[in-house]
Amino acid sequence: QVQLQESGPGLVKPSQTLSLTCTVSGGSISSGSYYWSWIRQPAGKGLEWIGRIYTSGSTNYNPSLKSRVTISVDTSKNQFSLKLSSVTAADTAVYYCARDVGAYNYFDYWGQGTLVTVSS
Amino acid sequence: QSVLTQPPSVSGAPGQRVTISCVGSSSNIGAGYDVHWYQQLPGTAPKLLIYGNSNRPSGVPDRFSGSKSGTSASLAITGLQAEDEAAYYCQSYDSSLSGSRVFGGGTKLTVL
Repeated sequence: QVQLQESGPGLVKPSQTLSLTCTVSGGSISSGSYYWSWIRQPAGKGLEWIGRIYTSGSTNYNPSLKSRVTISVDTSKNQFSLKLSSVTAADTAVYYCARDVGAYNYFDYWGQGTLVTVSS
Repeated sequence: QSVLTQPPSVSGAPGQRVTISCVGSSSNIGAGYDVHWYQQLPGTAPKLLIYGNSNRPSGVPDRFSGSKSGTSASLAITGLQAEDEAAYYCQSYDSSLSGSRVFGGGTKLTVL
């Protein structure tokens, strides 16, 4: 059973860079034809896909966030990471990592989510 | 504004049937891309409920079913139970948005 766990600071100052890591357990991040995605959800609102990465390093980003997002992968640690620069209060949300069944465009396993608040 | 449009809320009494619609466009659902559904219980992460328009992952009761036609899709829940009270999200792929996965705004199901 694949499990994902987000980690990182819960509080980030405006204009700084938000950094989160997702650790995958129960299977190798490199096995199968899976991508690895980040998704966020502001309080009381819907889900927004941020971007995804394949273990080759190939990435796709939401056009609305592309200029501020970097997703990377560390296969030796079975982890992938998110960096979101120049954050504002609008970036306050619960951030989820998820396994992305690339060929079929859906998310079959999700992390529990981590709340990141942008505030001075 | 979400790329996929869902009603903000639906409700039904225990045992009843409810449906949740998801309306897209010619660059996502109408282009033939599959629709997937997620259930989000209060305070928890979303859980895959339906994939590939109408397929249920192992463990999802057959009370949940999905369908797709044209530029829209629907999630049906029969025999409503109190534990079904949750938010439901549809999701698809949009070819006009650089490989983007897109979500509906979510529908809150209340079991009366």
